[in-house]
Amino acid sequence: QVQLQQPGAELVRPGASVKLSCKASGYSFTSYWMNWVKQRPGQGLEWIGMIHPSDSETRLNQKFKDKATLTVDKSSSTAYMQLSSPTSEDSAVYYCARDYYGSSPAYWGQGTLVTVSA
Amino acid sequence: DIQMTQSPSSLSASLGGKVTITCKASQDINKYIAWYQHKPGKGPRLLIHYTSTLQPGIPSRFSGSGSGRDYSFSISNLEPEDIATYYCLQYDNLFTFGSGTKLEIK
Repeated sequence: QVQLQQPGAELVRPGASVKLSCKASGYSFTSYWMNWVKQRPGQGLEWIGMIHPSDSETRLNQKFKDKATLTVDKSSSTAYMQLSSPTSEDSAVYYCARDYYGSSPAYWGQGTLVTVSA
Repeated sequence: DIQMTQSPSSLSASLGGKVTITCKASQDINKYIAWYQHKPGKGPRLLIHYTSTLQPGIPSRFSGSGSGRDYSFSISNLEPEDIATYYCLQYDNLFTFGSGTKLEIK
């Protein structure tokens, strides 16, 4: 079955970049878009962007164009999102989610809680 | 960018009752709307896509309808496990989530 494994938590110093991982299994990694979604404490869901592992085509929410960089490693079926110069505004849970046959995200990881703190 | 206005932000209903959530898009989204259930500590669960198509395994007491800019999502015969926050998502042009509706049981 489709599984997306994410680390449970990351502690990041302000200004130090962090690279979040999402290891996929149970399907053909290069056949589906991978999305990233942010949820700040007490807030709603916010779509960051998506990447297609076959050719690394990326589509971003313009709000995150200077914040998030999406990449993949096809050899390990892992998607990554790097957050640059994190601030307290980046403290949040970050989910990866695979699309449902070209439409909305259907398969979700458990999320990584990122805490930005000195 | 397409904006999604979801309402209400919270609601309370009785077991066995029915609730309805609405989402209004800032432009026609051609029925490309999905609905999610989100519980604390878990990833969101896709319930419905393309306005009214239930995901496999989702009970028929969940339903969706709409067209153009206006969409709704309903849960009938409310059960205790329905306590969650519900989100709409447009995917006609990239993706935009609604602000969420927190459902409580009276």
